[in-house]
Amino acid sequence: SQQGEEDPQALSIQEGENATMNCSYKTSINNLQWYRQNSGRGLVHLILIRSNEREKHSGRLRVTLDTSKKSSSLLITASRAADTASYFCATDAFGNAGKSTFGDGTTLTVKP
Amino acid sequence: DTGVSQDPRHKITKRGQNVTFRCDPISEHNRLYWYRQTLGQGPEFLTYFQNEAQLEKSRLLSDRFSAERPKGSFSTLEIQRTEQGDSAMYLCASSLEQLAKTDTQYFGPGTRLTVL
Repeated sequence: SQQGEEDPQALSIQEGENATMNCSYKTSINNLQWYRQNSGRGLVHLILIRSNEREKHSGRLRVTLDTSKKSSSLLITASRAADTASYFCATDAFGNAGKSTFGDGTTLTVKP
Repeated sequence: DTGVSQDPRHKITKRGQNVTFRCDPISEHNRLYWYRQTLGQGPEFLTYFQNEAQLEKSRLLSDRFSAERPKGSFSTLEIQRTEQGDSAMYLCASSLEQLAKTDTQYFGPGTRLTVL
């Protein structure tokens, strides 16, 4: 079964707006990663956040992690049409030796 | 480009045939993972290797599936007697694990399998 669950399943915004996606998980983790996937292609790694970190930034991306609530969020600021993709969170559970458990993703559409 | 590569990118086969996919990880990475992804869902873990040792296999990996990483570099995933339900994208990823601290997994472009 999938551990991570993204919310919402689909999100449609205008270019320039911010997009926020959430991820909830069930068990203790070592780290959580966010990936982007364009239609029919492989996954592109965006950010890894470790369990002892609360926030990380990378360009227009901001990821937060709340281990007490077992949740994470991905914020994309000033969105562009090229950000249109599916976004997945993946958790590396404690004791699971690095294998990742993915949610079913949030499909983001950015309208020009 | 020294990223993860997979071959072939697309494979169409008839039910009952055997297929084999290859993954070449990033050269210094000691861990290699296989995932399967169906339309509208996230990738599901199949198996992973630490160097040449296969350390874990998912219950999703039936006895028709076998994976190898003979020299701790490239890996192959073979599906015997394919079924229509095997149609999916097969993704390979690699990472560097040091001092029990796992780093980012980098994914290849995937092999899309269609079983007719």
